[in-house]
Amino acid sequence: GDSVTQTEGLVTLTEGLPVMLNCTYQTIYSNPFLFWYVHYLNESPRLLLKSSTDNKRTEHQGFHATLHKSSSSFHLQKSSAQLSDSALYYCAGLTSGGNYKPTFGKGTSLVVHP
Amino acid sequence: DPKIIQKPKYLVAVTGSEKILICEQYLGHNAMYWYRQSAKKPLEFMFSYSYQKLMDNQTASSRFQPQSSKKNHLDLQITALKPDDSATYFCASSQDLGVTGQLYFGEGSKLTVL
Repeated sequence: GDSVTQTEGLVTLTEGLPVMLNCTYQTIYSNPFLFWYVHYLNESPRLLLKSSTDNKRTEHQGFHATLHKSSSSFHLQKSSAQLSDSALYYCAGLTSGGNYKPTFGKGTSLVVHP
Repeated sequence: DPKIIQKPKYLVAVTGSEKILICEQYLGHNAMYWYRQSAKKPLEFMFSYSYQKLMDNQTASSRFQPQSSKKNHLDLQITALKPDDSATYFCASSQDLGVTGQLYFGEGSKLTVL
């Protein structure tokens, strides 16, 4: 079945270093839609990025990701981590079949320290 | 102002009791969902509704019953509560149930079962 796999667990970075959180997917769709959601403590999860067409980069709030159908990936990147980026990040995609269900990866907890 | 209202924000229940979590969305969306996040676990899909019809159910237990009295309402009734049900329950919505849909989340209802 369809699935989303992302860097799991905890990623700890020093402020100023680049961020890369991996996300790969499996789907039968020829045109998949992938998303990155960010979940700050005591807030509700919200959309950070949504995929565009194949090999096209999408950007928001300093983060960017590119959908690569050839490698079934949608990795999240940022050139320089900030303390305020500390949060839980989910890669999500939509499953196949008649009942569409946004499926989330297991989440990556990003902690940025001084 | 929050567009997805969840009530109550916090609740404590005793084992064996029953609780109802309320969700109302004012985004004009046609699809609504329930997700659960237990301590140190990722977001877990529970249900999806479209035009007040159940589309997908990934909850094994019949103790969890969604109820949609209006198009913009999707409540969650939980019976015979167990300590393992302790989690934050997020309601979400999207314009329609489909591959391009961005999810919008409520602030969550944090349930503690003693």
